[in-house]
Amino acid sequence: DTEVTQTPKHLVMGMTNKKSLKCEQHMGHRAMYWYKQKAKKPPELMFVYSYEKLSINESVPSRFSPECPNSSLLNLHLHALQPEDSALYLCASSQDPRTTETQYFGPGTRLLVL
Amino acid sequence: GNSVTQMEGPVTLSEEAFLTINCTYTATGYPSLFWYVQYPGEGLQLLLKATKADDKGSNKGFEATYRKETTSFHLEKGSVQVSDSAVYFCALRRGTSYGKLTFGQGTILTVHP
Repeated sequence: DTEVTQTPKHLVMGMTNKKSLKCEQHMGHRAMYWYKQKAKKPPELMFVYSYEKLSINESVPSRFSPECPNSSLLNLHLHALQPEDSALYLCASSQDPRTTETQYFGPGTRLLVL
Repeated sequence: GNSVTQMEGPVTLSEEAFLTINCTYTATGYPSLFWYVQYPGEGLQLLLKATKADDKGSNKGFEATYRKETTSFHLEKGSVQVSDSAVYFCALRRGTSYGKLTFGQGTILTVHP
């Protein structure tokens, strides 16, 4: 099983709202990732968690706050977003970030900020 | 730094036509190479991968061979179907990049009946 699940599938929020995106995998992977993808563009890496610790933050604004409560779960907390943050947010996981093993992606959460 | 260059699209083909999407890369060392596919409204799915020179990845009729001498990983399929219409991303990953995938810009493929 190579499934990464994400909820919700769609999310509409105002600029003053607080919401969270959730990602889950049960493959025993120890690396988890958040990506942002704008239309007709490749995904852009936001955060990397390795063994439940934040390893990489690609200079993401603080209105995005990641959290890894355990090795299977990854959250992305959203607060005071801007309309330009509207995008598809993809979660991925892999065995170990220090190797070149495959990253498996979830279906994404399509976010619209009004 | 690492980079991936894909042929510019979009690519439009008739059903049963032969498909080639070119991908070349720049990286030091020995990266792993991937093709991901993204169907409309969905996330990325791994299509195939190769981890060392001369490896051939294959899946669902698609193939790509890791050519270190030409730094290429071109995607091919002998006979495309309408259901192959999607965006295709070539990507590389180095062990020292701490998980970072470097993507090409993506190629939009449309297959007409």
